[in-house]
Amino acid sequence: TQLLEQSPQFLSIQEGENLTVYCNSSSVFSSLQWYRQEPGEGPVLLVTVVTGGEVKKLKRLTFQFGDARKDSSLHITAAQPGDTGLYLCAGDHNFNKFYFGSGTKLNVKP
Amino acid sequence: GAGVSQSPRYKVAKRGQDVALRCDPISGHVSLFWYQQALGQGPEFLTYFQNEAQLDKSGLPSDRFFAERPEGSVSTLKIQRTQQEDSAVYLCASSRHLDRGGGAGELFFGEGSRLTVL
Repeated sequence: TQLLEQSPQFLSIQEGENLTVYCNSSSVFSSLQWYRQEPGEGPVLLVTVVTGGEVKKLKRLTFQFGDARKDSSLHITAAQPGDTGLYLCAGDHNFNKFYFGSGTKLNVKP
Repeated sequence: GAGVSQSPRYKVAKRGQDVALRCDPISGHVSLFWYQQALGQGPEFLTYFQNEAQLDKSGLPSDRFFAERPEGSVSTLKIQRTQQEDSAVYLCASSRHLDRGGGAGELFFGEGSRLTVL
């Protein structure tokens, strides 16, 4: 059972397009993280958001934490093939473990 | 090494066999987590250590799963009498600490141990 629902599950787009991935929960999280995972490797941290309403930018990636700290979004501008991977959100519930979402598998075609 | 190291990378077991998966966290990292990841899914929490203390094992699917970290460094996840449904990638992650005041730190993951039970 996963507390965090991600949508869409799969996304296949052309290079240069924009996209948004969503992470939703009924639970409030102390903080929320986004990871990217490539085949055969472990997830790698992209960003941590802590404050409700917080927006963080990492080059072409924009992350937002919902005001109520229950949801988050990841927006990618002008996607590139190197952005291909499994995007995972992870909520820190009680400062002692992380719950991961089901993941969004992104494929960016050249 | 500089990162989290897991071994073996691949393990094939016959149903009913016992397996042991090893995790070498980043030196000095206090927290260690085990996750189970099915194909195409997100990681599912199994258990968590702070130093040698196992603070949460609520995610372990059955009493066939056992984890230890006796000296607060290397950890072993043991699965007894493996079943086909145990087939998955087992990910280990370590973290420098968890800051209760400012949110969680970064999890550093190993490459995982892929277990296939025939």
